[in-house]
Amino acid sequence: GENVEQHPSTLSVQEGDSAVIKCTYSDSASNYFPWYKQELGKRPQLIIDIRSNVGEKKDQRIAVTLNKTAKHFSLHITETQPEDSAVYFCAAMAGGFKTIFGAGTRLFVKA
Amino acid sequence: NAGVTQTPKFRILKIGQSMTLQCTQDMNHNYMYWYRQDPGMGLKLIYYSVGAGITDKGEVPNGYNVSRSTTEDFPLRLELAAPSQTSVYFCASEGRGNNSPLHFGNGTRLTVT
Repeated sequence: GENVEQHPSTLSVQEGDSAVIKCTYSDSASNYFPWYKQELGKRPQLIIDIRSNVGEKKDQRIAVTLNKTAKHFSLHITETQPEDSAVYFCAAMAGGFKTIFGAGTRLFVKA
Repeated sequence: NAGVTQTPKFRILKIGQSMTLQCTQDMNHNYMYWYRQDPGMGLKLIYYSVGAGITDKGEVPNGYNVSRSTTEDFPLRLELAAPSQTSVYFCASEGRGNNSPLHFGNGTRLTVT
């Protein structure tokens, strides 16, 4: 089955700096890669996603890149703000309906 | 739409007790999922369902059971609670079954002592 690895587990940046979180997946059949943000005590919520026919997608300060050959995908947050502090999960969906999550990255943005 | 609704929000069980975590969605989604999230950890898939009457095991199904008698409801049953089942449980649904995002409930925080 699918396995998703995520790095780093913890990331601390200064406000205004960029943050990058990287994930790898194992199942070459995976074709949908969502990213979720989870604030403390809350449910995960989708922030951006990318499908396998696209190499990059951007939404304001957030961008995601996908390298299908290497089975890598990454989340890039620019101009970080304190409200970006949260846990971020990458995920991969294979077979159209089963989402497997990475272990999460705890992002701290220092003001 | 209320989205995905989970009850209860919190529960404390003694070892060996049983309980059912309720999950209902009003978005007419065919696909529903149960995940558990241990403290400081990621989300592990327990069970999932692709439609009424159809369920299947995820990564960590031992100690749990599910049923899907209607499109709206997907309850999770713990028969003999163990401390290892202390976790936050999230129910989620997804509508298209074709690479679309999950909609999560607010979670149930379960402690087994």
